[in-house]
Amino acid sequence: EAQVTQNPRYLITVTGKKLTVTCSQNMNHEYMSWYRQDPGLGLRQIYYSMNVEVTDKGDVPEGYKVSRKEKRNFPLILESPSPNQTSLYFCASSPGNSPLHFGNGTRLTVT
Amino acid sequence: SQKIEQNSEALNIQEGKTATLTCNYTNYSPAYLQWYRQDPGRGPVFLLLIRENEKEKRKERLKVTFDTTLKQSLFHITASQPADSATYLCALPPLSGSARQLTFGSGTQLTVLP
Repeated sequence: EAQVTQNPRYLITVTGKKLTVTCSQNMNHEYMSWYRQDPGLGLRQIYYSMNVEVTDKGDVPEGYKVSRKEKRNFPLILESPSPNQTSLYFCASSPGNSPLHFGNGTRLTVT
Repeated sequence: SQKIEQNSEALNIQEGKTATLTCNYTNYSPAYLQWYRQDPGRGPVFLLLIRENEKEKRKERLKVTFDTTLKQSLFHITASQPADSATYLCALPPLSGSARQLTFGSGTQLTVLP
């Protein structure tokens, strides 16, 4: 089944403790992206990647890092999480200029 | 920068009626517009894409219009059912013309009452 898989689905952590949210897609898509979704603010793009080793900032990249060493994986790294990064995170992928396929989200709480 | 507005955060309609959701945008002329559906706790799912040279597009009970003069897209669900209850998001490409960075509206939560 074609899908974008994020892990974990839920994560509670403390301020400053580094964490990684994984994202993997099995559709051989070139493009991958991370969004965060907050009430009233909608989906906002954090980082995106056009292909392996090619990444760029979205609208809200501060406090986040990404890497794209393999085509299928695009992990999101929070080196020193803070409470304002509490949010619902979505990974998405697409082949070329096509609509996005989203994962089922990771709900992160930073206390 | 471009701005996207979706009408009212919530819309309640009676089963069988037509739901109409609005997406307005300012400050540019996008080459296309997309609509997604999002259920609670799930990621958005793509529904329809309409290009600037298309006035209307249909898929089963869904219809999307794109008025580049009014800078508005309307999303219609005919013969609505309770299973259509969800949040609907519109999305547009960025000013730069890149197809990679979609900007999403904040969504309209539709509830279809039985």
